Amino acid sequence: DIQMTQSPSSLSASVGDRVTITCRASQGISTSLAWFQQKPGKAPKSLIFAASSLQSGVPSRFSGSGSGTDFTLTISSLQPDDSATYYCQQYYTDPNTFGGGSKVEIK
Amino acid sequence: EVQLVESGGGLVQPGESLRLSCAASGFTFSNYWMNWVRQAPGKGLEWVAKIRPDGSETWYMDSVKGRFTISRDNAKNSLYLQMNILRAEDTAVYYCARRGYLDLWGRGILVTVSS
Repeated sequence: DIQMTQSPSSLSASVGDRVTITCRASQGISTSLAWFQQKPGKAPKSLIFAASSLQSGVPSRFSGSGSGTDFTLTISSLQPDDSATYYCQQYYTDPNTFGGGSKVEIK
Repeated sequence: EVQLVESGGGLVQPGESLRLSCAASGFTFSNYWMNWVRQAPGKGLEWVAKIRPDGSETWYMDSVKGRFTISRDNAKNSLYLQMNILRAEDTAVYYCARRGYLDLWGRGILVTVSS
């Protein structure tokens, strides 16, 4: 199985800060990577697919990059509504696997 | 409205069975791969199973193989997860989700396995 390692597991940042979360795959997955945002008690929400394609309706401050084994999710200017846990997922091969999550808190 | 709505969860004892359903609306259900994903209390996301648009092929995570069966009825726009021989470690919120990259999620349904 492909292991997905996210870092950091948690971070605290101020409104307006640039935030970067990384996701590393244990083997190459091309660009078959998605990012999700989950708030407490809610279902995950799709943010990005194919490593860098923004889902419709997602604010442009979110962006994704990478290919192969190393990927990043960037929030260009952190907003209060961005407080959540973020997950990456590879869908290159079965079983599809998720990263462990990165909790983003607002200072 | 494009949505997925899960049902059928609840409290069961270890070794018992449960069938989850997911009703799709607002899109052509028969065109899409569908998945079940779960999240144990306080834990991360875990992909469980998926099924081709025509239902001809299915895939499962190792720990549910032989116990869980994913199926679909395209005429009823519905996805199912038959869960047998349930274990305490199957306790989780179960979500149905569309496509390989999970672009649309249901609200989830809680399954609790406890004596």
